[in-house]
Amino acid sequence: KAGVTQTPRYLIKTRGQQVTLSCSPISGHRSVSWYQQTPGQGLQFLFEYFSETQRNKGNFPGRFSGRQFSNSRSEMNVSTLELGDSALYLCASSFLSRGTGGELFFGEGSRLTVL
Amino acid sequence: QKEVEQNSGPLSVPEGAIASLNCTYSDRGSQSFFWYRQYSGKSPELIMFIYSNGDKEDGRFTAQLNKASQYVSLLIRDSQPSDSATYLCAVSPINFGNEKLTFGTGTRLTIIP
Repeated sequence: KAGVTQTPRYLIKTRGQQVTLSCSPISGHRSVSWYQQTPGQGLQFLFEYFSETQRNKGNFPGRFSGRQFSNSRSEMNVSTLELGDSALYLCASSFLSRGTGGELFFGEGSRLTVL
Repeated sequence: QKEVEQNSGPLSVPEGAIASLNCTYSDRGSQSFFWYRQYSGKSPELIMFIYSNGDKEDGRFTAQLNKASQYVSLLIRDSQPSDSATYLCAVSPINFGNEKLTFGTGTRLTIIP
């Protein structure tokens, strides 16, 4: 069974540019969450999508956005990149719906460097 | 004040001993609690989840939850070198849910052979 696939794995951008990251969840998983991981702040929740709807959102500025497609694949976009956006962006998928627990399966992440 | 606090370590434990990892959280509305393990350069993987007060055992791992004290712990018995990793405590406001997790910054555990 294929795991969570994130592309690209590494990318370098300059300040002011925008970036789109992609996540393909495990087959059958309908929930996709995005997290930002930095050495100083650790893992921080960005947003979660379930059946193409944003169900939860973290405390990130509007420059961070996402969407989910009908096949559960998800993308996140960061516009007007800042140096502080340099981080590992992790996508996680889950099968079970709200209130029934279940494991989050993380992808290997997309490492973004902003110069 | 961080919402989920963990001692960053490093915590060094001899092989075969018990490793004790602790976590406190500030939001009394937290409902679900998780321990993830993250090896260097890898993504986090779930070790344990616990939803109600008390102890929950799974093999060499025991999670303990005390909601009144807002405290979660993870005990690893018979520690092995392969247990050397960063352990992340995470909490969710969703009952029996894994949504909108707030993570601590992790405790780096080193098992000494």
